[in-house]
Amino acid sequence: GENVEQHPSTLSVQEGDSAVIKCTYSDSASNYFPWYKQELGKGPQLIIDIRSNVGEKKDQRIAVTLNKTAKHFSLHITETQPEDSAVYFCAASRRNSNSGYALNFGKGTSLLVTP
Amino acid sequence: EAGVVQSPRYKIIEKKQPVAFWCNPISGHNTLYWYLQNLGQGPELLIRYENEEAVDDSQLPKDRFSAERLKGVDSTLKIQPAELGDSAVYLCASSLVGGGTDTQYFGPGTRLTVL
Repeated sequence: GENVEQHPSTLSVQEGDSAVIKCTYSDSASNYFPWYKQELGKGPQLIIDIRSNVGEKKDQRIAVTLNKTAKHFSLHITETQPEDSAVYFCAASRRNSNSGYALNFGKGTSLLVTP
Repeated sequence: EAGVVQSPRYKIIEKKQPVAFWCNPISGHNTLYWYLQNLGQGPELLIRYENEEAVDDSQLPKDRFSAERLKGVDSTLKIQPAELGDSAVYLCASSLVGGGTDTQYFGPGTRLTVL
């Protein structure tokens, strides 16, 4: 099955700095890579995703890059704010348009943004 | 639009007791997922339903866990009897397959503590 490794497990940055979280996956058939943010006491919330036919995607302060050859993908958050503090999970999946799919999650990165 | 609703939010039981969790997916979503999230870990899929049919339950410990999704809407996950190691957060997610976007949306989860 798919194995997703995520690093670092904890990350502390100053407000305004950038944060980078990296993930690797093992299943070369995986084609969908979402990132979820989980705040305390809440369920994971999708913040950005990327498909295997795209190398980079950006949404305001958040960007994700994918290297299919190396089987790794990264989340980049610029101009971090205290409200970005949360646990971030990467995931990998084989996704098709005709059925549901299992998300294989990494172990998470606890991000702390200090004012 | 209401999100995925789960109840109860918290449950404390003694080992060997039965327990049940309920999930109401986003209206119109045909696919429903139950994930298990242990402390400090990413969610792991237990079972996936497409309408009323359980199409992926390979990770569900069938000796003590059971699930149902009557009428293809609400779902219940049951544990009988509960063990100490079942203490975790049980997350429900839903998506609309075949509707253009099939993002998985998560509920807040039920935190189970087995004493």
